[in-house]
Amino acid sequence: EAQVTQNPRYLITVTGKKLTVTCSQNMNHEYMSWYRQDPGLGLRQIYYSMNVEVTDKGDVPEGYKVSRKEKRNFPLILESPSPNQTSLYFCASSLSYRGHNYGYTFGSGTRLTVV
Amino acid sequence: AQKITQTQPGMFVQEKEAVTLDCTYDTSDQSYGLFWYKQPSSGEMIFLIYQGSYDEQNATEGRYSLNFQKARKSANLVISASQLGDSAMYFCAMRGLSGGSYIPTFGRGTSLIVHP
Repeated sequence: EAQVTQNPRYLITVTGKKLTVTCSQNMNHEYMSWYRQDPGLGLRQIYYSMNVEVTDKGDVPEGYKVSRKEKRNFPLILESPSPNQTSLYFCASSLSYRGHNYGYTFGSGTRLTVV
Repeated sequence: AQKITQTQPGMFVQEKEAVTLDCTYDTSDQSYGLFWYKQPSSGEMIFLIYQGSYDEQNATEGRYSLNFQKARKSANLVISASQLGDSAMYFCAMRGLSGGSYIPTFGRGTSLIVHP
């Protein structure tokens, strides 16, 4: 089944404890992206990647890191999480960053709470 | 820069009636794509419908149709014969397709409640 897999689905952690949210897609998509969703703010892009070893900042990159060593994986790293990073996170992928009718496949989301 | 505006934070509709969710956009791209996603209370994002800027006909997918008015820069989602399961957040999104910004932009969403 074609899908984007995020793990974990739920995570409660303490301030300052490094964590990684994994994202993997099995569709050979070039484009991958991380979003955070907060009430009243919609989806805001954190980082995106147009292909292996190509990443760039989105609208709200502060406090996050990403890597794209392989096409299928795009982990999101919080080196020192803070309570303002409590949010619902989505990973998404698309066949290509250019072209027609390439919608996004989203992962199931990761609900992160930083206390 | 791209911008998506969804002016309706919340909408109510009676079951079996049609409802229109508004979306306006702004872009300098000549070619772009418009999307709608549904997010039920379970949290996942579900792709509903796509409209290309050069598509001559409005997109339809089952009970969903996209009322695309290019001159007005609007891409409203129409849900016909609403069902209780349509209660969810709905997000409008766009991306440029021909240079400019390929990065998708999302609106803030509209919460739809379908009541019996």
